[in-house]
Amino acid sequence: QVQLEESGGGVVQPGRSLRLSCLASGFSFSRYTLHWVRQAPGRGLEWVAAISSDGTNKFYADSVRGRFTVSRDNSGTTLFFHMDSLRTEDTAVYYCVRGAYYSDTGTYYLHYWGQGTLVTVSS
Amino acid sequence: EIVLTQSPGTLSLSSGERATLSCRVSQSVSSNQLAWYQKKPGQAPRLVIYAASNRASGIPDRFSGSGSGTDFTLTISRLEPEDFAMYYCQQSDRSSWTFGQGTKVEIK
Repeated sequence: QVQLEESGGGVVQPGRSLRLSCLASGFSFSRYTLHWVRQAPGRGLEWVAAISSDGTNKFYADSVRGRFTVSRDNSGTTLFFHMDSLRTEDTAVYYCVRGAYYSDTGTYYLHYWGQGTLVTVSS
Repeated sequence: EIVLTQSPGTLSLSSGERATLSCRVSQSVSSNQLAWYQKKPGQAPRLVIYAASNRASGIPDRFSGSGSGTDFTLTISRLEPEDFAMYYCQQSDRSSWTFGQGTKVEIK
């Protein structure tokens, strides 16, 4: 079955960096676009980044563009999220998500979710 | 940027009652790119409806979705205790993905 396991969260000071990882299994990793979605305490879900199946196309929310970088290792079936210049407002649970896309109909949704990893930015 | 506005913010209902959740999109989107998710505290979000009206695997048939263009609806025909949760609509648009702010379905 599809499994997505995030790691790398923790407590970090403002302005510092952190790298999240998401180890995937149970599906053909290199065929799917992958996403990072976060939820700050008491807030709703916020999509923050996506990377195409071959890693050539990357997309970011305005809130993280220029500070965060998404990447992937298709041979190691791992998704990464390198977060620089962290701010207190980046405190959230970060979820790794596998997208589902059907080109014949244009159907797209966020199908499988990991359990998330908590990032706390605090001095 | 496409904005999704959900209403109401909170729905207070009893088990067995019908829940109707609304999602209004700031510009017309394809129904194929509109999904609904359930979120409970401490758990990962769970896909409920995709392509506006298709139930995800394992979702009971009391859940249904409808709508097109800018107005979409998630209906839970008879609330069960496990249905009390936050619900988010979400759209996928080529290079951006956005969520509504959520509707909380709470026990009255």
